[in-house]
Amino acid sequence: AQSVTQPDIHITVSEGASLELRCNYSYGATPYLFWYVQSPGQGLQLLLKYFSGDTLVQGIKGFEAEFKRSQSSFNLRKPSVHWSDAAEYFCAVADRDDKIIFGKGTRLHILP
Amino acid sequence: DAGITQSPRHKVTETGTPVTLRCHQTENHRYMYWYRQDPGHGLRLIHYSYGVKDTDKGEVSDGYSVSRSKTEDFLLTLESATSSQTSVYFCAISGTGSGNTIYFGEGSWLTVV
Repeated sequence: AQSVTQPDIHITVSEGASLELRCNYSYGATPYLFWYVQSPGQGLQLLLKYFSGDTLVQGIKGFEAEFKRSQSSFNLRKPSVHWSDAAEYFCAVADRDDKIIFGKGTRLHILP
Repeated sequence: DAGITQSPRHKVTETGTPVTLRCHQTENHRYMYWYRQDPGHGLRLIHYSYGVKDTDKGEVSDGYSVSRSKTEDFLLTLESATSSQTSVYFCAISGTGSGNTIYFGEGSWLTVV
């Protein structure tokens, strides 16, 4: 069965600094991979997704993620964070049986 | 925004009572999911459906049942609510399953006292 690990429960960065959120997955075949963001009291919004092809994918709000098969990773990056990026971020993996499994999330805090 | 409506949005109920949460979609999507979200656990899949009357269990299905008699509606039932089922429940939909984006409803806050 597939699984997703987000090693960092909390991350704090200064506004304007770069950001990298880690995600590792376990799945036998090429997975479908997603990053979602959740603001307090809200549902989840898709940031970006990887299905195949170019391993560097661009998403909304200036986010990007890189799929590295050799490391079973799909890390999320942003060159310069804004205070509005403070939220919880979830990595997810989907298999061919239509189950979509989420990591436990990383809460991002932004220092002014 | 995807047309997903969850009801009720907030509910307080007593231990041992049955509770049904409803998810209604207007997108005619084939796949529907129920997740629960708890601090430290992220989102965990309870049940999902890949068509009318076609459902399957997720990671944490014990104590929950689901039904899908129409494409647009996916019901989650707690037969006898327990305090451990206090959580935020999210419904999600997807057009063609794992190869496509899933869209989430706004959540249903359930408190079992």
